[in-house]
Amino acid sequence: DVKVTQSSRYLVKRTGEKVFLECVQDMDHENMFWYRQDPGLGLRLIYFSYDVKMKEKGDIPEGYSVSREKKERFSLILESASTNQTSMYLCASSLVHSGNTIYFGEGSWLTVV
Amino acid sequence: DAKTTQPPSMDCAEGRAANLPCNHSTISGNEYVYWYRQIHSQGPQYIIHGLKNNETNEMASLIITEDRKSSTLILPHATLRDTAVYYCIVKESGGYQKVTFGIGTKLQVIP
Repeated sequence: DVKVTQSSRYLVKRTGEKVFLECVQDMDHENMFWYRQDPGLGLRLIYFSYDVKMKEKGDIPEGYSVSREKKERFSLILESASTNQTSMYLCASSLVHSGNTIYFGEGSWLTVV
Repeated sequence: DAKTTQPPSMDCAEGRAANLPCNHSTISGNEYVYWYRQIHSQGPQYIIHGLKNNETNEMASLIITEDRKSSTLILPHATLRDTAVYYCIVKESGGYQKVTFGIGTKLQVIP
């Protein structure tokens, strides 16, 4: 089975801290994604990456950056965490081929105080 | 922006069929329709997908209209464990692409 692993399930950080959310997938997927999920707003795409060192902005990239130094790992970085970044963050991955399915991690609940 | 429209919530009696609609009127010829569901506090899970033919697997059936502008996910015998948020998305076949989810439909299965 495909496994997408998010390193931290629950985090509490202080305003202004630099926060790293790590995601690893074990199926050699080219595409990787970071979403955030908030009540009433559904899943919103922050960034995605289709190859090592490649990244594309999603719908809400402001306040975030990403890093993909290895194919299996995609990191989401909050340079200076703010309270409005309190949310659940979901990582996902998929292959690049016809009919590719997206696989999600279990999510990381981040609280910024 | 999401390319699909779904009702925000639906109820279904336990044991009955749950029919979840999705409108994707701007779908293009090489875009698939995918359905995912998210049980509270977990990551979304894949259910089924299709291009233009109806599809069935062990979890659900997917009915796509002939013009492909809408589809219906059918859970034939809903159980309490099917209570979840269901997302319908359209996505090109392969390639490097941005994938956007909307708000989905909150399905409540009632005993």
